Amino acid sequence: KAGVTQTPRYLIKTRGQQVTLSCSPISGHRSVSWYQQTPGQGLQFLFEYFSETQRNKGNFPGRFSGRQFSNSRSEMNVSTLELGDSALYLCASSGDRGSYEQYFGPGTRLTVT
Amino acid sequence: DAKTTQPNSMESNEEEPVHLPCNHSTISGTDYIHWYRQLPSQGPEYVIHGLTSNVNNRMASLAIAEDRKSSTLILHRATLRDAAVYYCILRDRMTDRDDKIIFGKGTRLHILP
Repeated sequence: KAGVTQTPRYLIKTRGQQVTLSCSPISGHRSVSWYQQTPGQGLQFLFEYFSETQRNKGNFPGRFSGRQFSNSRSEMNVSTLELGDSALYLCASSGDRGSYEQYFGPGTRLTVT
Repeated sequence: DAKTTQPNSMESNEEEPVHLPCNHSTISGTDYIHWYRQLPSQGPEYVIHGLTSNVNNRMASLAIAEDRKSSTLILHRATLRDAAVYYCILRDRMTDRDDKIIFGKGTRLHILP
């Protein structure tokens, strides 16, 4: 079974631009969560989607948004990029909400210049 | 949320057992103890979880103190591939019927050849 895939793996953007990152969960998994990882703040929860609905949201500004499609694939969008948005963005999927085990993708490394 | 405390870093020799401690003095009765690890340049991966009894799986063992205020992740025979950041996480299974994981700083485990 293929793991969680994220595209692109690396991205360079300039301040003020917007970016869309994609996540394909493990086949059959319906829950997708997103995390931001930076050296200073560590791993921080962004949001969680289940059945195309956002179920949970972390403490991030409204510039960060996401969505989930009927095939459980998910995208996250960051508008008006700031230098501080440079980070590794990780996606995780699980078979159902509250599963003991979540499966993480390799992440998308976003650099904002 | 109940908090966990872990040492910032630990070292161990290859092929020796490793005991990674985690303190969670404010744990509630419905908090499960989860461990994830993050290898270099990868997303986190689930290691093990438990509630009260000690647990074993192919990756590791989890020893939980009788009062549940602390736990220890045991790698029985460390290899260089076990060098990673290990996260000890509490999740309330009665209320956290979602996939939001609150990660702390974790313990960076160095394996010496």
